[in-house]
Amino acid sequence: GNSVTQMEGPVTLSEEAFLTINCTYTATGYPSLFWYVQYPGEGLQLLLKATKADDKGSNKGFEATYRKETTSFHLEKGSVQVSDSAVYFCAPLRYRGGSNYKLTFGKGTLLTVNP
Amino acid sequence: NAGVTQTPKFRVLKTGQSMTLLCAQDMNHEYMYWYRQDPGMGLRLIHYSVGEGTTAKGEVPDGYNVSRLKKQNFLLGLESAAPSQTSVYFCASTEDRNYGYTFGSGTRLTVV
Repeated sequence: GNSVTQMEGPVTLSEEAFLTINCTYTATGYPSLFWYVQYPGEGLQLLLKATKADDKGSNKGFEATYRKETTSFHLEKGSVQVSDSAVYFCAPLRYRGGSNYKLTFGKGTLLTVNP
Repeated sequence: NAGVTQTPKFRVLKTGQSMTLLCAQDMNHEYMYWYRQDPGMGLRLIHYSVGEGTTAKGEVPDGYNVSRLKKQNFLLGLESAAPSQTSVYFCASTEDRNYGYTFGSGTRLTVV
């Protein structure tokens, strides 16, 4: 099967602090990996992705590296801003043959950044 | 702007009532999805479609039906609403699963 374990929140940081949100997954295949972000009152937006081992996805100062050996895809940002306050979701996508894909979402991590 | 549009944005239903949620995308995407989001549960897949005229069950399909008569529209129906269906519903679409999904802004449904 395919499941994802995501660091539980809430996470509260001061502006310019370093952020890590851990994500590990179990998969019988080798999935593509995504991070989505949900700002208050909005739908999810794709933040970054990686489609094969050792790929690094990056966007808006966020980064995550696809680590096949540890089945992890941790999200990091060197200096968070108040505007980064949101819920972050890790989501592995596994291909199961034919047109059958399965995207599984973690439970989400609420990040609050204080000025 | 191109994207995924969900209607309505908010709705309150009485137990036993029916309703249809509409999802429309103007990106010519093949694949469309309905999710529900509940506190502490992340997103759970209700139904999905891999093309016009096709539908399939997701993780939590009971109590819901869907139709994809036109490529751009994916309808989610509740025939007899129950309080357990109180949730925020999100529609998503994509042309290629490896590119990521585009989500709508959600429908907040309350069943009393």
